[in-house]
Amino acid sequence: SQKIEQNSEALNIQEGKTATLTCNYTNYSPAYLQWYRQDPGRGPVFLLLIRENEKEKRKERLKVTFDTTLKQSLFHITASQPADSATYLCALDMGGYSTLTFGKGTMLLVSP
Amino acid sequence: DTGVSQDPRHKITKRGQNVTFRCDPISEHNRLYWYRQTLGQGPEFLTYFQNEAQLEKSRLLSDRFSAERPKGSFSTLEIQRTEQGDSAMYLCASSSFHPETSRNEQFFGPGTRLTVL
Repeated sequence: SQKIEQNSEALNIQEGKTATLTCNYTNYSPAYLQWYRQDPGRGPVFLLLIRENEKEKRKERLKVTFDTTLKQSLFHITASQPADSATYLCALDMGGYSTLTFGKGTMLLVSP
Repeated sequence: DTGVSQDPRHKITKRGQNVTFRCDPISEHNRLYWYRQTLGQGPEFLTYFQNEAQLEKSRLLSDRFSAERPKGSFSTLEIQRTEQGDSAMYLCASSSFHPETSRNEQFFGPGTRLTVL
């Protein structure tokens, strides 16, 4: 079965810097890789999806890369703000009738 | 608000009691998922429906758990004879799945936090 690794330690950065979060997986590359944001006590919120044949996807201050050779996705938040503080989850989507497999998430703390 | 809703938001029960949770998905979505999440972990898949058909159940879903989605609309998740290990956040999500694209971004509800004493 797939194993997904996200940094278990919280990432602390200063406002205005770029935050980079890592998602590594084993075994087969997913058809899609998704990123979600989760605030305490709330359900995850979908942010971005990237296909296995895409190298990079952007949405406003967010950028996701996907390297199937390294079996890794990087999630970047540029010009980070305290409001970006949350836990970020990556999820593997094998496509078809499969379901999502989530990582444990990485907590991001952006200090003013 | 046309998002996914869940009821109740919090449930405290005693060990051995039965509990039932409800999820109302986004109306045009054909898929509905149940997940369980404990502190410091990501959501763990329990089961999902496409319309009214239950297509997959995780091995996490013991015989004490049952889910239904009558008429392909709302869904209920029942836990019988609750145990302390069942304490968790139970999340519901829905999606609009299209076989031609196979993409499946999910929209989550706020969750039901279950505490078993």
